[in-house]
Amino acid sequence: DAGITQSPRYKITETGRQVTLMCHQTWSHSYMFWYRQDLGHGLRLIYYSAAADITDKGEVPDGYVVSRSKTENFPLTLESATRSQTSVYFCASRENTEAFFGQGTRLTVV
Amino acid sequence: GQQVMQIPQYQHVQEGEDFTTYCNSSTTLSNIQWYKQRPGGHPVFLIQLVKSGEVKKQKRLTFQFGEAKKNSSLHITATQTTDVGTYFCAGPGGTSYGKLTFGQGTILTVHP
Repeated sequence: DAGITQSPRYKITETGRQVTLMCHQTWSHSYMFWYRQDLGHGLRLIYYSAAADITDKGEVPDGYVVSRSKTENFPLTLESATRSQTSVYFCASRENTEAFFGQGTRLTVV
Repeated sequence: GQQVMQIPQYQHVQEGEDFTTYCNSSTTLSNIQWYKQRPGGHPVFLIQLVKSGEVKKQKRLTFQFGEAKKNSSLHITATQTTDVGTYFCAGPGGTSYGKLTFGQGTILTVHP
């Protein structure tokens, strides 16, 4: 199916563990983004990518790593999860105008 | 980096009342976008404004871009319960083409 999909939808992990959130889009959009959403903070940009093998930091990149070896995939890794990284994570892609968002991943770090 | 500030953070209205959310930037924006996120959902694109002083309407929604291209507003006339959700404005993220920076969002509650 065409679109942008995130996996998993829900994840509970322990402090200190490594976690990878997956994002896949079928449109071959150049730009892809990772945002986290927390009450009172709106959508904060973690990392974005302008093309395969091109990534750059957003507002809150600390503790996160991204890669983009293929245009369609943009995984986000929490190297050593902390409780402050409990959040809803949204992946998005765009080419020219509107951004299309995935369904989100609700991550809880205990 | 470039930021867009959005107010109010929350708005509670009675069904039928009007609603407005405002977005402000300290720098000139080349364009501004608006998104709506239903409770439990993901943000969905509503519109993009590009021209100074531009006004666009979508049924009961009116979007404005300021003359100086530093502010924007979304006005909903006669709210309905289907309008509930969070409304975000988003602007270009500085000099990085393609980057989108979102405001904090306005959470709208409509009481029937």
